[in-house]
Amino acid sequence: NAGVTQTPKFQVLKTGQSMTLQCAQDMNHNSMYWYRQDPGMGLRLIYYSASEGTTDKGEVPNGYNVSRLNKREFSLRLESAAPSQTSVYFCASQWGRGVGGFFGQGTRLTVV
Amino acid sequence: AQRVTQPEKLLSVFKGAPVELKCNYSYSGSPELFWYVQYSRQRLQLLLRHISRESIKGFTADLNKGETSFHLKKPFAQEEDSAMYYCALSGRVQGGSEKLVFGKGTKLTVNP
Repeated sequence: NAGVTQTPKFQVLKTGQSMTLQCAQDMNHNSMYWYRQDPGMGLRLIYYSASEGTTDKGEVPNGYNVSRLNKREFSLRLESAAPSQTSVYFCASQWGRGVGGFFGQGTRLTVV
Repeated sequence: AQRVTQPEKLLSVFKGAPVELKCNYSYSGSPELFWYVQYSRQRLQLLLRHISRESIKGFTADLNKGETSFHLKKPFAQEEDSAMYYCALSGRVQGGSEKLVFGKGTKLTVNP
């Protein structure tokens, strides 16, 4: 039972490069989320998706785009990476309100 | 708007002492509240859900709607409880999406 799987685990980018963070869940959850985690800032919501084909902005969407490819997959794209996007990125999924979210292992991204 | 406030960034107690991690929330509807724990460099794990009124690893949390609080408590802290703790709220937003937001977290250190 894999749960929520993120790839890659680590990535170093140069300023201006682009990349896509992948997330997949095998729990048939409807809602999926992308967060970034920074020291002293907690987890900040970047984008979320209630279902396939729908996405909504969270607190800090600027500089990111997302795609909910199907029910299983929710990707996060950085079109032109900036040093301010150096962070740990977590993907999560949730079936329903009372259940709570399940998290991936995180992607540690460094932009130089 | 959904908001979760954890007033303490750091909390340090001695082994065997009681511990209380504070969480306050703001939400106009009926909230679903959770506590998550993150051990060093690991993924977030769901610790408690208010809806299930359970006790996990000796921790309990009670939803107080009057005070809009969901504090996490443990009567006798153990060294292995040292970790980052996040309070989270899941609430329905306009359009029916389910949004999961987090506080900034409290780092608990249990000293021997």
